[in-house]
Amino acid sequence: EPEVTQTPSHQVTQMGQEVILRCVPISNHLYFYWYRQILGQKVEFLVSFYNNEISEKSEIFDDQFSVERPDGSNFTLKIRSTKLEDSAMYFCASSEAGTQYFGPGTRLLVL
Amino acid sequence: GENVEQHPSTLSVQEGDSAVIKCTYSDSASNYFPWYKQELGKRPQLIIDIRSNVGEKKDQRIAVTLNKTAKHFSLHITETQPEDSAVYFCAASMDQAGTALIFGKGTTLSVSS
Repeated sequence: EPEVTQTPSHQVTQMGQEVILRCVPISNHLYFYWYRQILGQKVEFLVSFYNNEISEKSEIFDDQFSVERPDGSNFTLKIRSTKLEDSAMYFCASSEAGTQYFGPGTRLLVL
Repeated sequence: GENVEQHPSTLSVQEGDSAVIKCTYSDSASNYFPWYKQELGKRPQLIIDIRSNVGEKKDQRIAVTLNKTAKHFSLHITETQPEDSAVYFCAASMDQAGTALIFGKGTTLSVSS
């Protein structure tokens, strides 16, 4: 059964550094999403993406964040200048229609 | 915007008992309600979902009910097993690709043998 994959599984970075989180959505899916989960809290929506454009974004997704589909398989989330409060698990998801399938996540730790 | 409340935050049951988790939502436009199971350190896994054109859906030991008038939906797990122990999240959204899932805060279910 195809699954969403994400790399890296863990990332440690210094405050102020840029990070890029990578995702490979399920191959026939056209809608992509990023969510984050701060330790012990609920999953929060960041952004959705379709046809090389942002479809919807939350207020968390400010100017520090950007998304890109650099090629036919990858979907990336960039955080330009990380803050301590960006430490969280970041999940990518993809969908063909309404049902979203999640990747295993990237645990980001900002020091 | 949509807000999803989930109760209880923790639930402990004996193996073989039933477990019920309840969620309420605020936006009457929401029409898609999935449930995800998340084991420690792992991805949320979809276990069942329901759309607003039905009131109940069942898949083996798991069932979900939806009351659109009251804006609440519930997850029912029967004959619980230790491997059911996990965090369960409800969510609500428009049943439309590209729209955000709004999650509840999660219920930690512990099944003891």
